[in-house]
Amino acid sequence: DTAVSQTPKYLVTQMGNDKSIKCEQNLGHDTMYWYKQDSKKFLKIMFSYNNKELIINETVPNRFSPKSPDKAHLNLHINSLELGDSAVYFCASSQTGAVMGTDTQYFGPGTRLTVL
Amino acid sequence: AQSVTQPDIHITVSEGASLELRCNYSYGATPYLFWYVQSPGQGLQLLLKYFSGDTLVQGIKGFEAEFKRSQSSFNLRKPSVHWSDAAEYFCAAQGGKLIFGQGTELSVKP
Repeated sequence: DTAVSQTPKYLVTQMGNDKSIKCEQNLGHDTMYWYKQDSKKFLKIMFSYNNKELIINETVPNRFSPKSPDKAHLNLHINSLELGDSAVYFCASSQTGAVMGTDTQYFGPGTRLTVL
Repeated sequence: AQSVTQPDIHITVSEGASLELRCNYSYGATPYLFWYVQSPGQGLQLLLKYFSGDTLVQGIKGFEAEFKRSQSSFNLRKPSVHWSDAAEYFCAAQGGKLIFGQGTELSVKP
């Protein structure tokens, strides 16, 4: 059984296009996250949602807009794609996401986005 | 500022040899600490975590890590490395957000 799944696994697109990445978790977790892994493999959080409410929003360009239709899904929409958006995007989830919680985050397989 | 440092970008060990990957953190208080592994083209898998209590933590795949408060370290160890352990290893700390180190790439030679 897949715990955290992402689609698509690979995404190749042209500059200026708009694209979405979908994430779903079947763990019953309350909190979901988006991370970006750059070409040097550095991982950094972008967004976090708890029960469909945005709780972490790092300094990410406005072109990135997360959407959580329900607590099992967190999608990432990117407008006007730029070359620098090329990266691997990981979705994750955790039980409660409390600020100082002990909640372990479980990661999806990643989506490799290539902008040409 | 909160940070996690993995001093070694790349380590090569022989199969069967012991392994230690270093991790240091800088936080106001002791954060929760994690080690994740990323195999080529794969997502991140949790190896182990430390919240409190016993400072030697056992994880999956024969890995263990030791928390040393005095050194602000959480080093990952394995007594005997297998070729399948070749991967990227990330140390992470959580005191609010989950902050990752830069990663250490492990190569295993036969």
